[in-house]
Formats: sequence, structure tokens, C-alpha cells
Amino acid sequence: QTVVTQEPSFSVSPGGTVTLTCGLNSGSVSTSYYPSWYQQTPGQAPRTLICGTNTRSSGVPDRFSGSILGNKAALTITGAQADDESDYYCALYMGSGIVFGGGTKLTVL
Amino acid sequence: QVQLVQSGAEVEKPGASVKVSCKASGYTFTGYYVHWVRQAPGQGLEWMGWVNPNSGGTSYAQKFQGRVTMTRDTSISTAYIELTRLRSDDTAVYYCARESNSWYYFDYWGQGTLVTVSS
Repeated sequence: QTVVTQEPSFSVSPGGTVTLTCGLNSGSVSTSYYPSWYQQTPGQAPRTLICGTNTRSSGVPDRFSGSILGNKAALTITGAQADDESDYYCALYMGSGIVFGGGTKLTVL
Repeated sequence: QVQLVQSGAEVEKPGASVKVSCKASGYTFTGYYVHWVRQAPGQGLEWMGWVNPNSGGTSYAQKFQGRVTMTRDTSISTAYIELTRLRSDDTAVYYCARESNSWYYFDYWGQGTLVTVSS
């Protein structure tokens, strides 16, 4: 069974930089999985941040960037702001469908 | 502008069925797949499957095979998900989402529909 792994939680100081990762329980994440990233605040629908590994969705600030780091997909937030405090989910295309990671709860303090 | 507007909250008993709708506007409905994603209280996102509004073809996550049916009505640009034999752990917010035509990601989301399964 395919499991997509994310850090359960992370903390960053305002103005700081943080990198969240998205891996596989077996194997490496590559661009062939078309990693995407979503931000979700409580009570709201997810918001699309990154698609196709590193393309920002319309209206997403450039402090958000996506990449492949080693064997994982990564979401980097540079110059974190208070309203970046959210849950972040990655999703991978597996051919037969989409698999989400468990999400990372990001705290900005 | 693209919008996906879902039907309202539902309360069902265990063993019953529920059907949630997702009305699309602002784009050609038959041009984009519609996916369904759910989120149990305090939990993460879980992909359930997709419907191709053009052909009516579907693909479901293995976990839901036999219990889920995704359909569409092109005359009213609406997609549906029906889940049968409901259990308490089906209590969740159900989202529809439009799949972009490239890169296998969701570019627009519905507002979500809370389905509560309780006796």
C-alpha cells in the first residue's frame, strides 16, 4: 500500500524559512508523480498552492516554492508570515488515482 | 468565474445512503474531470475517486469500491457522489474538486458538505 509521508508538525518564526517535505514509504518522489501542495485553514476548503512540482497556482505569493529535494517533494516558505499558519497537504498522482499525505500542521511563532 | 457549489449538510443513520451534489459554473463542465475528496473530523484529506463528465466514466479508490457511485448530469452541470451502507466513520466533510487539464492537480474546490452518520 502506498503511503505518502509528511512531517506531522513544524514550527517557524515570523520572517523565517521552512521546508516541508513529501515522501513515499517505498521509493522516491519524482516529477513523474506531479506533486501538488494545498493549504488549508480550519473550516475552509483547501487552497491550491503548487502544481506540477514547482508551479505556483494563480495568486499564490512567491514566498511559496516547490521542488524535489533528494528523494522527496518539498514546499519551501521563505519569509513566513502569521497567516501562513495552516495545515499543508501534498498530493501525488499514482496513475490509478491521487494519494494525499497526512498533512503538516505549521505553526508560526 | 469558476465555481463549484455543493449541496447542504446531511445527517444519516448507519446503513443508510447519502447523495451529495456539486454544481459547476463558469466553465465547460464536460471539459474537466471532477474528483471527490473527504476529510473526517480532525483528520487529513482522503481521495475517493473521479467522474469524467464527458463520458460518465469513473475511477474509485479501492477502499470505496462497491460502496461509492459517482455520476453526473450534463444538462445541469452537476456531479454527484453517492455513498451506501454508511458507517459512523464515514462522518466527514466531502469536497468536490475540479482537476486541471494538466499536471493532475485540483485547481478549484467546492465549499464542502458535512455528512454526519449517527444513530
